Amino acid sequence: GAGVSQSPSNKVTEKGKDVELRCDPISGHTALYWYRQSLGQGLEFLIYFQGNSAPDKSGLPSDRFSAERTGGSVSTLTIQRTQQEDSAVYLCASSFPGSTGELFFGEGSRLTVL
Amino acid sequence: GDSVTQMEGPVTLSEEAFLTINCTYTATGYPSLFWYVQYPGEGLQLLLKATKADDKGSNKGFEATYRKETTSFHLEKGSVQVSDSAVYFCALRVSSNTGKLIFGQGTTLQVKP
Repeated sequence: GAGVSQSPSNKVTEKGKDVELRCDPISGHTALYWYRQSLGQGLEFLIYFQGNSAPDKSGLPSDRFSAERTGGSVSTLTIQRTQQEDSAVYLCASSFPGSTGELFFGEGSRLTVL
Repeated sequence: GDSVTQMEGPVTLSEEAFLTINCTYTATGYPSLFWYVQYPGEGLQLLLKATKADDKGSNKGFEATYRKETTSFHLEKGSVQVSDSAVYFCALRVSSNTGKLIFGQGTTLQVKP
């Protein structure tokens, strides 16, 4: 597709279950980002992948959160043992090499933990 | 640490009113500054940017000037339209070595006809 694609668009899960969120970036974009958007909290940085470099994981809130990027393209964000405070919209973005800061965002995956 | 603070919303204006959304930042280096916009039902998209002090970014009638002395990047528009109703996010990037952006909490703008 032409834009950043995220799935699922909506996910409802029970507390304690694991969830996986998928992001398919724009073809040719070497950088990929995950952010979390909570009500009234703005966008919280989670993790950043750039090419073959080690990812910047400085924003992951706990060791229940992890992400991988296979083959320099698709990324999966995994949340283990979900808690109610994990409920949020998880946004993925990508950017092309040499970008001066323009990120292209997907429409997000809304996670609700009951 | 590096951070961005925006004025709290929601901001409600009548059509053709003047808009200002305040944004201030804290950064250890010389950041690039951005405004992103999220229209209802859509993903965030870049509205405008400025990469050094005194630069003015502009797009779609919106403007923002990078003020290093006041560490600010306020968003302005002279005459808003109903179609400008959206959530606006101010953001900074501290280093060109990382593409990571730090965002403010967002300001909701509602324009009434």
